Amino acid sequence: DTEVTQTPKHLVMGMTNKKSLKCEQHMGHRAMYWYKQKAKKPPELMFVYSYEKLSINESVPSRFSPECPNSSLLNLHLHALQPEDSALYLCASSFSSGEGNTIYFGEGSWLTVV
Amino acid sequence: GQQVMQIPQYQHVQEGEDFTTYCNSSTTLSNIQWYKQRPGGHPVFLIQLVKSGEVKKQKRLTFQFGEAKKNSSLHITATQTTDVGTYFCAGPRGSGTYKYIFGTGTRLKVLA
Repeated sequence: DTEVTQTPKHLVMGMTNKKSLKCEQHMGHRAMYWYKQKAKKPPELMFVYSYEKLSINESVPSRFSPECPNSSLLNLHLHALQPEDSALYLCASSFSSGEGNTIYFGEGSWLTVV
Repeated sequence: GQQVMQIPQYQHVQEGEDFTTYCNSSTTLSNIQWYKQRPGGHPVFLIQLVKSGEVKKQKRLTFQFGEAKKNSSLHITATQTTDVGTYFCAGPRGSGTYKYIFGTGTRLKVLA
């Protein structure tokens, strides 16, 4: 079982829709992430929030809009997506041990864009 | 740019056989992490290695970090069907602590 919870688990949306993915963690981690994973590929970093501030945006198209309302919540707002955006979207959080960040992933949201 | 490659891409083994996956980075890493992702699941953290030449064991799993801190390996002794999944290594990109690049992954299938 993961301590990072994501909703919804599955989402089908049209290219003109607006939807949001939600993520919550109560481990007290101060870094939260969005990753995108296509089938048979490794996770690709999209965004990182550190102490509720956006610290990394990996040149993600503006049709993906992240939001961090507080230290436990992370949202990803979706608008005007393309079919190639269909993927598993993974939320994660991490703590720093001083030697690295141990990343805890949620179970993911399977997104299909039609 | 920085790349992290893993070999092999796929491996099928008979239950009870050993398995090894290798991870190679184009740049020196301050640390390396290993994750396991079951089919249909999400990546789960296994271990982190920090020191040059470090070896760590978790039951049947042995992890090693190369002397030059550019490569790593994961060895599973006497595989079981529960070992099925994709194994990823991940290393920090540049000096940042949040940007972890995941390796290409090795998908393991264990035949009973």
